[in-house]
Amino acid sequence: EVQLVQSGAEVKKPGESLKISCKGSGYSFTDYWIGWVRQMPGKGLEWMGIVYPDDSDIRYSPPFQGQVTISADKSLSTVYLHWSSLKASDTAIYFCGRRAAGPAKTHWAFDLWGRGTLVTVSS
Amino acid sequence: ETVMTQSPATLSVSPGERATLSCRASQSVSSNLAWYQQKPGQAPRLLIYGASTRATGIPARFSGSGSGTEFALTISSLQSEDSAVYYCQQYHNWPPRWTFGQGTKVEIK
Repeated sequence: EVQLVQSGAEVKKPGESLKISCKGSGYSFTDYWIGWVRQMPGKGLEWMGIVYPDDSDIRYSPPFQGQVTISADKSLSTVYLHWSSLKASDTAIYFCGRRAAGPAKTHWAFDLWGRGTLVTVSS
Repeated sequence: ETVMTQSPATLSVSPGERATLSCRASQSVSSNLAWYQQKPGQAPRLLIYGASTRATGIPARFSGSGSGTEFALTISSLQSEDSAVYYCQQYHNWPPRWTFGQGTKVEIK
């Protein structure tokens, strides 16, 4: 089955570090960009950044540059989202999504999604 | 940054009726636009890409139109299971500066 499986919910305190994961299976993992999307409580979707697991080319959305670190381990078919010092405002659901492949840019929507990881940051 | 503006915020439609959702881009995104459906507690689901191409497995009652800065998602005959929030997303730029609209909630009357 083609899927993205995300790590489980986390409860952390402000200032703590955290790394969440997204593992792809059922397809050629290194052929597709994987992106991260934030959804704060009761709010809409925000695109955070994207990584190409084959060479770890990473692109960040400007509001998230310097706030999080995206990485990939192609040997594990897994991408990560890392915070070095969490804030209460990082409380959200984080989704990973696969950018569709193909040379035509019109195809580049997110065609496969993980179920999301709920991150709660509270003292 | 390309700002995506969706309207209306909420749409209340009777079963079997047509629902039309709008999405406007602050600058041209050509046809590099997708529509997603999100139900409570679920991940987004791709409905339309390339502004008008239905994704695999998406019922024919969903259709997308538009290019440039004005786009629409039409649900031709609303079903109860279509109650959800719908987001548009542009993926025009590279390096990516992709953005989502704020969403339209579709309610069943």
